[in-house]
This record gives sequence, structure tokens and C-alpha cells, in this order.
Amino acid sequence: DGGITQSPKYLFRKEGQNVTLSCEQNLNHDAMYWYRQDPGQGLRLIYYSQIVNDFQKGDIAEGYSVSREKKESFPLTVTSAQKNPTAFYLCASSIHSGVPNEQFFGPGTRLTVL
Amino acid sequence: AQSVAQPEDQVNVAEGNPLTVKCTYSVSGNPYLFWYVQYPNRGLQFLLKYITGDNLVKGSYGFEAEFNKSQTSFHLKKPSALVSDSALYFCAVRDNSGAGSYQLTFGKGTKLSVIP
Repeated sequence: DGGITQSPKYLFRKEGQNVTLSCEQNLNHDAMYWYRQDPGQGLRLIYYSQIVNDFQKGDIAEGYSVSREKKESFPLTVTSAQKNPTAFYLCASSIHSGVPNEQFFGPGTRLTVL
Repeated sequence: AQSVAQPEDQVNVAEGNPLTVKCTYSVSGNPYLFWYVQYPNRGLQFLLKYITGDNLVKGSYGFEAEFNKSQTSFHLKKPSALVSDSALYFCAVRDNSGAGSYQLTFGKGTKLSVIP
């Protein structure tokens, strides 16, 4: 899983609550990404950030928010507006999103809404 | 728009036999292609990538993939499968056609089971 850590590994949330998933990397990578994985659907991009203090929506950004205040950190908040938040969430980073370098993935956080 | 298809949800192969996991793609420009592997409840691990040049790409753990532009395919292969190769495999594509095309699009994954 390289130099990317995600916490917590398992997270339980009650309906109507916001929760924040942590992602930290020590690889000195410029770009960071958040994906959602559901069974049989592959990975879908939520948000990505190419540099500090800048980020863009991916394919399924509704109900999620992010920040990129530090190069090493890219936390994801799952808000109460996300209608179906139960999923496996993966954070990734790469050297620079402008060149075709591979992405390195964290171990993931499994979020369950009770 | 870019897309990836992995036509097989599951592939079963006997240990020691060659394995192939199929991937086809669609992009407007030229593709950058990647293969990743995922073990249960873990993140994805990079196996190999095609950027340009030789159509046969060699990667980690004895895996290789062949880029075929005319068939828009990038199948993953290994000459002799191991039980430890059993995992979920993802193909991904990125279009190199211009600014803003930084997103990777992943296929839905193929579950590989290697039978002892």
C-alpha cells in the first residue's frame, strides 16, 4: 500500500451524520484522488487534487467535500446529502497528474451507514 | 469520453496453466493503459502500464500485457498461474488527448480464481 495511510479502517455512521475520512501520504506526490468502490462497479472518482489548495470534482462528487490545505493530506467528508454512502473508499496519489504515472493506493476505509 | 470494458466478471484457471484477463478500451486520442490487482479488503497495487513503444509490457510478479491498437485491447497474461494470483484485477485507461484528461477510468474488475 506504499506510503499512503487511511484511517479509520472501518467506520460506522448514523443516517444524517457527516463523517470525515483521513488520507495522508509521505511520498511527496503532487496529485491525490478519492475513489468509491462498490461491488461489481469498479472504482469511481469522487474528487481529485493536482496541487495544494486546488481540487476538482470527479464523476460522483455530489454529497462529498474535500480540502487540500497541505500537500500530504486530502481528507474526504461524506455529508448527510450523500444518499447511499455505504461503500469502500480508496485514496490514491501520484507524482503529477499531468504525466502518465501510476497511482499509489491506500488500504481503504469501509464506511457503513446504520 | 473514455471507457474500459472487462468482459469477464470471473476467470477460473488451474494452477500452472496460462492465464488471460481481458480488457478493451475506448478513447478519443491515444491511450495510457494500466493494470492493477486488489486483494480482499486492501487497496489496489500497480502491476504494469503502457505509455508508448513496445506493445508487450512486462510488469510485477511475472505478469505481462499486450497492447493491440487495432483491436483496442490490453489483455493481461501470465504463462503459469499461481494460487496466490487469485484476486480482483482492474484495467484502467487515460486519454492523452489534451488538458484536463487526467482522470483514470477503471473497468469493473475481473475476479481471478486459480484452482490448485
